[in-house]
Amino acid sequence: GQQLNQSPQSMFIQEGEDVSMNCTSSSIFNTWLWYKQDPGEGPVLLIALYKAGELTSNGRLTAQFGITRKDSFLNISASIPSDVGIYFCAGRRAGTASKLTFGTGTRLQVTL
Amino acid sequence: NAGVTQTPKFQVLKTGQSMTLQCAQDMNHEYMSWYRQDPGMGLRLIHYSVGAGITDQGEVPNGYNVSRSTTEDFPLRLLSAAPSQTSVYFCASSYSSGGNGYTFGSGTRLTVV
Repeated sequence: GQQLNQSPQSMFIQEGEDVSMNCTSSSIFNTWLWYKQDPGEGPVLLIALYKAGELTSNGRLTAQFGITRKDSFLNISASIPSDVGIYFCAGRRAGTASKLTFGTGTRLQVTL
Repeated sequence: NAGVTQTPKFQVLKTGQSMTLQCAQDMNHEYMSWYRQDPGMGLRLIHYSVGAGITDQGEVPNGYNVSRSTTEDFPLRLLSAAPSQTSVYFCASSYSSGGNGYTFGSGTRLTVV
C-alpha cells in the first residue's frame, strides 16, 4: 500500500531554531493533515489543509498545501523543548471516504 | 467527554490465541478506523467504518476482523495471533470522512510471543 514520503526522518535541533519538514506523494490529495505524537500517546491533529496553495498557521506552526497537490510542508518557528515528538503528515485522496494515508514520520528532538 | 477510549493499554498473547481490542467513542462520530503502528512505517489502516453496520478493509486487513453494531463501539478482533501482529494499535474516529482529522485513542501495545 502507498505511504507518503516524509523527510527528514529525524532531526536534532537547538531550542529557538526553526524547523522544516515535508511530505510528498506520487498521488494527488485533496486534504492534507499534520499530526504530532508524544511518547505513549496517540497522534494529535495540529493543522488541516483543504486547498492547493493554502497556508495555515496554528501558533508557532505553519503548514502549506503544495500547489501540485502532491506535497505539503510544516514549519515550526522558535522551537521549544515541548516540541519534541514525532510529526506525521496524512493525506486523503478524492473518493476514498474516510481513508487516510500516513507518512512515516519525522522524529524531532530539541536540545537546550 | 472521554473522546476515544481504548482497552487494554498493554497485552501479551501467545501465538494462536485470539483476543478483542476494544474501542469506544462518545462524540457521536460516524467514521471510525483502526491503525497499526510499526517502527519506521508510520500508521497503516487495518479496517474502517463509515457508520453502524458498515465496515470495509484498509491496507493491512489480513488476520483481523471488525464489526460495528453501534455508533459508539468498534472492536478489533485478532483471530489467531501471530508474532507479525506485534504492534501498537490505534483506534480513531471522525465526524466526517476524515477531512477534519481523526481523533485518536491512546493506543494498545500488543506483543505476540
